[in-house]
Amino acid sequence: SAVISQKPSRDICQRGTSLTIQCQVDSQVTMMFWYRQQPGQSLTLIATANQGSEATYESGFVIDKFPISRPNLTFSTLTVSNMSPEDSSIYLCSSPGADQETQYFGPGTRLLVL
Amino acid sequence: GENVEQHPSTLSVQEGDSAVIKCTYSDSASNYFPWYKQELGKGPQLIIDIRSNVGEKKDQRIAVTLNKTAKHFSLHITETQPEDSAVYFCAARVSGYALNFGKGTSLLVTP
Repeated sequence: SAVISQKPSRDICQRGTSLTIQCQVDSQVTMMFWYRQQPGQSLTLIATANQGSEATYESGFVIDKFPISRPNLTFSTLTVSNMSPEDSSIYLCSSPGADQETQYFGPGTRLLVL
Repeated sequence: GENVEQHPSTLSVQEGDSAVIKCTYSDSASNYFPWYKQELGKGPQLIIDIRSNVGEKKDQRIAVTLNKTAKHFSLHITETQPEDSAVYFCAARVSGYALNFGKGTSLLVTP
């Protein structure tokens, strides 16, 4: 299995500000993924973060709004920029385990934007 | 892209009964099918998964079946307990790509 931690676990932010979410994995992985889960909804992929290259964003998500860093094989950050109340969601980091196939999730970051 | 449909959206069963959740997928290249359980305030927890070279997999009270021809897979929970109450998500993935999720099933097990 993989142990994935995220910081912060939750935050309340003012509109117009930015928040950076950190994700740490206990093993080296090539791909890490960032998902958004709006209240009562399923998980939507924001972007795929590969170490050493630019993140690949899904339709509806742009780098200016959700910049991602991937400085090494165990760590990634997602920034939610210029926040509005519509950004209030759970943000989840995910990565494969040691077998590079089985996929695990972190506990999530619960964001409320006022 | 891959489209995953999940049914039912809500399911209520009595303790001790079985629960079945069904999913279909659209991309025949998908080869990994996990199921996640999400309790309130927590991240999704992997409970079982199946790969396309296997038709069925069991882990105690939980089983998953896969029909590649029909492109559907199902989660079976036997002898349900109140602590099985949660939201369950199915997902499908093509190798090297991200998971695509169903919309979730809210399972309630009543004592």
